[in-house]
Amino acid sequence: DVVMTQSPLSLPVTLGQPASISCNSSQSLAYSDGNTYLNWFQQRPGQSPRRLIYKVSTRDSGVPDRFSGSGSGTAFSLKISRVEAEDVGVYYCMQGTHWPWTFGQGTKVEIK
Amino acid sequence: EVQLVESGGGLVQPGGSLRLSCEASGFNFRNYDMHWVRQIARGGLEWVSGITFAGDTYYPGPVKGRFTISREDAKNSLYLQMNNLRVGDTAVYYCVRGDGYGVDYWGPGTLVTVSS
Repeated sequence: DVVMTQSPLSLPVTLGQPASISCNSSQSLAYSDGNTYLNWFQQRPGQSPRRLIYKVSTRDSGVPDRFSGSGSGTAFSLKISRVEAEDVGVYYCMQGTHWPWTFGQGTKVEIK
Repeated sequence: EVQLVESGGGLVQPGGSLRLSCEASGFNFRNYDMHWVRQIARGGLEWVSGITFAGDTYYPGPVKGRFTISREDAKNSLYLQMNNLRVGDTAVYYCVRGDGYGVDYWGPGTLVTVSS
């Protein structure tokens, strides 16, 4: 199975400041069709996960543009340009290239 | 509006069985792949099973042979039959829609507790 490793696991941030989460995979996530199936999810306290980004860098509808994704191959990142209070929660990466699909351990974002 | 509502969770003894259901609305269910994803108490997420719109099924190793995913398009419903349950299967189980890039919409989840 593809192992997804996130860092850091805990990320205290100051409101208005940027934040960055790293996600590395044990195998390349590039698929034979030319796409890379790397998703990012946000889970606010008490809520179900919500997808923010798919195919590495495409934002889902309604996701603020302060969220951006980048990367290729085995190294990916999620950036929040200016953290707001509503961004508190746990963020997960997930690969959908290889069966079985696998998730990272999660990164908890909290306000300092 | 896409809605997914799970039901059927509860307390079951090790070795027992449980059948989860998911009722979908707000989209053309028969055209989408569907999945079950679970979340353990400490937060980790694990993909549990998937079924394509054509009926092909996929399972990870830990549940293969014990869990069976199925769908009934006429009822906009997804199911997960779980047999020979183990303590390690204790989790919140989410019904999730596949969109070709991964999974997009999630239900609120249903809690399954396996304990004696």
